[in-house]
Amino acid sequence: QVQLQESGPGLVKPSQTLSLTCTVSGGSISSGGYYWSWIRQHPGKGLEWIGYIYYSGSTYYNPSLKSRVTISVDTSKNQFSVKLSSVTAADTAVYYCARSVSGYDIFDYWGQGTLVTVSS
Amino acid sequence: DIQMTQSPSSLSASVGDRVTITCQASQDISNYLNWYQQKPGKAPKLLIYDASNLEAGVPSRFSGSGSGTDFTFTISSLQPEDIATYYCQQYDNLPPRLTFGGGTKVEIK
Repeated sequence: QVQLQESGPGLVKPSQTLSLTCTVSGGSISSGGYYWSWIRQHPGKGLEWIGYIYYSGSTYYNPSLKSRVTISVDTSKNQFSVKLSSVTAADTAVYYCARSVSGYDIFDYWGQGTLVTVSS
Repeated sequence: DIQMTQSPSSLSASVGDRVTITCQASQDISNYLNWYQQKPGKAPKLLIYDASNLEAGVPSRFSGSGSGTDFTFTISSLQPEDIATYYCQQYDNLPPRLTFGGGTKVEIK
């Protein structure tokens, strides 16, 4: 059973960089066949896909966030990470990591989510 | 970007009722449409993929249909444990521009 777990600071100051890591267990990122995504949900709102990465390092980003987002992968640790720069209060959200099958963007496994608040 | 219009935004129904949610895409997305259930404080859970395929382990009272721009999600007999918000999600873009509908909150009357 694949499990994903987000980790990182729950509070980030405005203009700083938000950094989160997703640790995958029960399966190897380096085995290929899957994309590894970050998705966020503003409080009381809907879901927004941030971007995803393949084990090789290939990335795709939501154009609305592309200028501020970097997703990376560390196959030795079976982890992938997201960095979002120049954050504002509008970036306050629950951040989820999730897995989808390569070629089929169907999110079959999700982390539990972590709330990140942007505030001074 | 492809916009997903989901309706209604909320509904209230009785246990045993048939519940229907619709999702309309701003352009043809074939059958590249998934449905998720999200309970309060939890991550979304995949219920239906590719418009009409039931994810393993999901009760058969959940179903989906449609293709092109118009899609329907149905709960044939609403159960108390179905109280949740339901989202559609399309994935018909290359490069990917994955988008979700606005969600439908289902409550018990």
